[in-house]
Amino acid sequence: KAGVTQTPRYLIKTRGQQVTLSCSPISGHRSVSWYQQTPGQGLQFLFEYFSETQRNKGNFPGRFSGRQFSNSRSEMNVSTLELGDSALYLCASSLVGENYGYTFGSGTRLTVV
Amino acid sequence: AQTVTQSQPEMSVQEAETVTLSCTYDTSESDYYLFWYKQPPSRQMILVIRQEAYKQQNATENRFSVNFQKAAKSFSLKISDSQLGDAAMYFCAYKGEGAQKLVFGQGTRLTINP
Repeated sequence: KAGVTQTPRYLIKTRGQQVTLSCSPISGHRSVSWYQQTPGQGLQFLFEYFSETQRNKGNFPGRFSGRQFSNSRSEMNVSTLELGDSALYLCASSLVGENYGYTFGSGTRLTVV
Repeated sequence: AQTVTQSQPEMSVQEAETVTLSCTYDTSESDYYLFWYKQPPSRQMILVIRQEAYKQQNATENRFSVNFQKAAKSFSLKISDSQLGDAAMYFCAYKGEGAQKLVFGQGTRLTINP
């Protein structure tokens, strides 16, 4: 079956713009979480959605937001982009029994110039 | 808050040999799960192996095995018969029971020398 699909794979934006990233989970997976990966900070949790509800949020400013649709697809949005937002954004999906591990997508590489 | 520490930023090993990657974590929880993920240049994080804290038996997946020491809060990954395809960043991750997120270590870059 298809894995976790993230689009686009690469994105270049200018400071001050906003961006929307998309994630389609594995069929049947209802939990979707997002992570930011940078060389300096490593992998940091952004937020997690289950059945269209945000259940947990990491320590990121309000410029970072997300949502989940009824088909479990998720989007994350970053407004007023800053240079420091340049990162690899990874999406992961899981079954309700999350303890069995998460399946990750290949990420979206965002560059802010 | 839980933390995960990988003290080896880089490791290298000869093809066909065995290598061990270290991971320690800090938590006050008694029920949790530990994972090793591999991230090749393709960027996708791939689950290598998982361990439930309540299980004393160390997890094994083919050439990959862990040494889980709960009292010492240590969770090392052993890769036997290293192959060129094992070259990647390896991340140790922690998940508390009932938590909806993974806490990652900083990663270890593994190089396989032919």
